[in-house]
Amino acid sequence: SAVISQKPSRDICQRGTSLTIQCQVDSQVTMMFWYRQQPGQSLTLIATANQGSEATYESGFVIDKFPISRPNLTFSTLTVSNMSPEDSSIYLCSVDLAKGEDTQYFGPGTRLTVL
Amino acid sequence: DQQVKQNSPSLSVQEGRISILNCDYTNSMFDYFLWYKKYPAEGPTFLISISSIKDKNEDGRFTVFLNKSAKHLSLHIVPSQPGDSAVYFCAASINTGTASKLTFGTGTRLQVTL
Repeated sequence: SAVISQKPSRDICQRGTSLTIQCQVDSQVTMMFWYRQQPGQSLTLIATANQGSEATYESGFVIDKFPISRPNLTFSTLTVSNMSPEDSSIYLCSVDLAKGEDTQYFGPGTRLTVL
Repeated sequence: DQQVKQNSPSLSVQEGRISILNCDYTNSMFDYFLWYKKYPAEGPTFLISISSIKDKNEDGRFTVFLNKSAKHLSLHIVPSQPGDSAVYFCAASINTGTASKLTFGTGTRLQVTL
């Protein structure tokens, strides 16, 4: 597996502001993913971040709202822009270790509350 | 369109007994299935997986069964322990040769009682 850390672990933000979440992995990985888990809901993929190229967003998620950076093979950031209370969720990054199967390993998550 | 479904939001099992968590899917293209365990305030932890070429995979106390014709998989935990109390998510993917996205179910909260 991999050791994955996220910063911050939680935050309380005001409506209209932006928050950048960092994800750090202890080994080089090609594919990183960002998920959202809204209260009482399942995990939903926001986007796939591949180093050296633009992130690929899932239906319902757009780059202006969730810009993603992937500057190297061990790090990625997700920004939640112009936040509203509906953005209150747990945001999780995950990695695929590319061992020939689709197992992803998750970070601890960032719990975001928007007031 | 919920392609992966966990119809039981919660399950209570006595310590030492078998826990059976169920998952159904609708997309016949899914060919890889996973179970994750999630404690509060933590990220999901990978438990066990199964490829569609198999119908059973076992790892210690955890066994996953896959019934492709019924589009159904289940996770068996034997014997159940209090530390198994968590939310369990099943997930599915389509192997495209590169890393593929996972589609998750809504989760089942397992409580193992003494």
